[in-house]
Amino acid sequence: QSVLTQPPSASGTPGQRVTISCSGSSSNIGSNTINWYQHLPGTAPKLLIYGNDQRPSGVPDRFSGSKSGTSASLAISGLQSEDETTYYCAAWDDSLSGWVFGGGTKLTVL
Amino acid sequence: EVQLLESGGGLVQPGGSLRLSCAASGFTFSSYVMSWVRQAPGRGLEWVSGITVSGTYTYYADSVKGRFTISRDNSKNTLFLQMNSLRAKDTAVYYCAKSSSGTYYSPFGSWGQGTLVTVSS
Repeated sequence: QSVLTQPPSASGTPGQRVTISCSGSSSNIGSNTINWYQHLPGTAPKLLIYGNDQRPSGVPDRFSGSKSGTSASLAISGLQSEDETTYYCAAWDDSLSGWVFGGGTKLTVL
Repeated sequence: EVQLLESGGGLVQPGGSLRLSCAASGFTFSSYVMSWVRQAPGRGLEWVSGITVSGTYTYYADSVKGRFTISRDNSKNTLFLQMNSLRAKDTAVYYCAKSSSGTYYSPFGSWGQGTLVTVSS
């Protein structure tokens, strides 16, 4: 059972906008920033969003993040087939003194 | 270009030990917090351990506390993970991850390709 809760799956058609939620608590999302990673199994994970809503250089502006209270969301607009992979949220947890991840959301582009 | 190259994975029996290494290049290794993150078969990402820039402070997930030890050699740009008393549940691909700054709560900006650890008799 992951400390952060994500839906196990999400789907959308090309061009559509999809959102992935991430729910936590006061000790993690509620008091620290949220980061999002994109991971295709067998490859190196990639930082997609950091500091709740910041994009590293090279990440398309189709990807956006937001946070409210103890929840956060990743939005992907203009969905493309190459977006089909797994997405993870993560935050530092003050109570655990460590990083906690969501269980991952596998995105399918129909 | 940042490069992180893990090594040391392999097959080990339950109760055994293994030492992972992560050779870093392309950045000033001694200026960044480093971590290990793993992914068990069919499961999600799980943070394992982290170490501050000088190695003074170390952090561990409850699942490995007391069994794993993280360390670093800044003179050789290398991160280590000593894994003792290994269990079947430790079977996973282990990734070396570089934080984006020298603070422990900065995100993982770069990752290695991972090394597979299999604990089985």
